[in-house]
Amino acid sequence: DIEMTQSPDSLAVSLGERATINCRSSQSLFYNSNNKDYFAWYQQKPGQPPKLLISWASTRESGVPDRFSGSGSGTDFTLTISSLQAEDVAVYYCQQYYSNPWTFGRGTKVEIK
Amino acid sequence: QVQLEESGPGLVKPSETLSLTCTVSGGSISPYYWSWIRQPPGRGLEWIGFISYSGSVTYNPSLQNRVTISVDTSKNRFSLNLRSVTAADTAIYYCARGAQPKISGWFDPWGQGTLVTVSS
Repeated sequence: DIEMTQSPDSLAVSLGERATINCRSSQSLFYNSNNKDYFAWYQQKPGQPPKLLISWASTRESGVPDRFSGSGSGTDFTLTISSLQAEDVAVYYCQQYYSNPWTFGRGTKVEIK
Repeated sequence: QVQLEESGPGLVKPSETLSLTCTVSGGSISPYYWSWIRQPPGRGLEWIGFISYSGSVTYNPSLQNRVTISVDTSKNRFSLNLRSVTAADTAIYYCARGAQPKISGWFDPWGQGTLVTVSS
């Protein structure tokens, strides 16, 4: 199985400041055949299911605010919230869909400082 | 807009079979992939398996000896059976759709989830 390691486990950021979450996979998620990284980010608020934010490492889903951005390739990926808003308080998960079984990181809890 | 809703017993006895159904509304089963994912209370996410619109299945190897996923396209729903459950199977169970047609792997949308507790 591909192991997904997120860091930090939690972080507290002031409103309007930048939040950065990292995710590292135990093997490369990049397919040379189509130049894509098989990697996604989700946001989960309390009592709700996860919501897809970003796929293919950096493609923001329709309706997701542009303060959310994804970057990275291969084994190292980053989710950046450029200006944290109160509604961004949540747990964020990374996920690989390169190989079965699809696996998730353990999550990063984002709070307001 | 597609919506998914899980249904089934909230309490299952140890050694018995957990059975859940996901009903899809606002869209068709075809041509998507449909997954079950679970989350033990306060913990992370575990993908259980998926079924395609044509009925082919892929399971997480850690669960494949106990899992069956099936689809009923006439009723626009798919189901999960997990046999020989233990307390470790206590979790919120989500159903989710593949985010793009004809390709599996990442999930959107998700159902609201249903808590299944394994206890005698």
